[in-house]
Amino acid sequence: DADVTQTPRNRITKTGKRIMLECSQTKGHDRMYWYRQDPGLGLQLIYYSFDVKDINKGEISDGYSVSRQAQAKFSLSLESAIPNQTALYFCATSDLPQEAFFGQGTRLTVV
Amino acid sequence: QKEVEQNSGPLSVPEGAIASLNCTYSDRGSQSFFWYRQYSGKSPELIMFIYSNGDKEDGRFTAQLNKASQYVSLLIRDSQPSDSATYLCAVSNAGGTSYGKLTFGQGTILTVHP
Repeated sequence: DADVTQTPRNRITKTGKRIMLECSQTKGHDRMYWYRQDPGLGLQLIYYSFDVKDINKGEISDGYSVSRQAQAKFSLSLESAIPNQTALYFCATSDLPQEAFFGQGTRLTVV
Repeated sequence: QKEVEQNSGPLSVPEGAIASLNCTYSDRGSQSFFWYRQYSGKSPELIMFIYSNGDKEDGRFTAQLNKASQYVSLLIRDSQPSDSATYLCAVSNAGGTSYGKLTFGQGTILTVHP
């Protein structure tokens, strides 16, 4: 089983719908991250969490919200999806100063 | 100014050549620096990390860090077609409430042609 698991792997949704992307990890790391990647671009940080009670906005948090339900679970929600949120979304965990471990990614299409 | 900047490329090198990838960062207090490789449609995977000024070598890869210039680079020797990918520079912030925040550059697309 993967250390970092994202569900769903692919999702097509309609404009205005609420959608949740889920991430779970078995690494035992405190730090978890949600990134967005657009074609040909790097990873843009949406939200990050250093423990269950600590959640921080990244550089592109508008239109997104998160929930850290447990050390192992970090969910990303789009309250009202819009087409420009079509992207590849990655969840990651890390145990500073070690490397970040990434999930397989969720390809989201908003039509 | 973006916190982490890379030339987006594409960078094209012939097989067997040295590929040089560059990255600059804005937070002078940053302490940890990472290079990730990402194949199309896949997750990023770590190639190298470096914490101290100077060079760090691992096989065909060498990471170079110059904190005074806020510059980190990755050299790939004897480039192979399988090295063709997007290379992402990442920086871990040093202090304050964002300690440990991992910020990525936009990535450099590398193509190694036979």
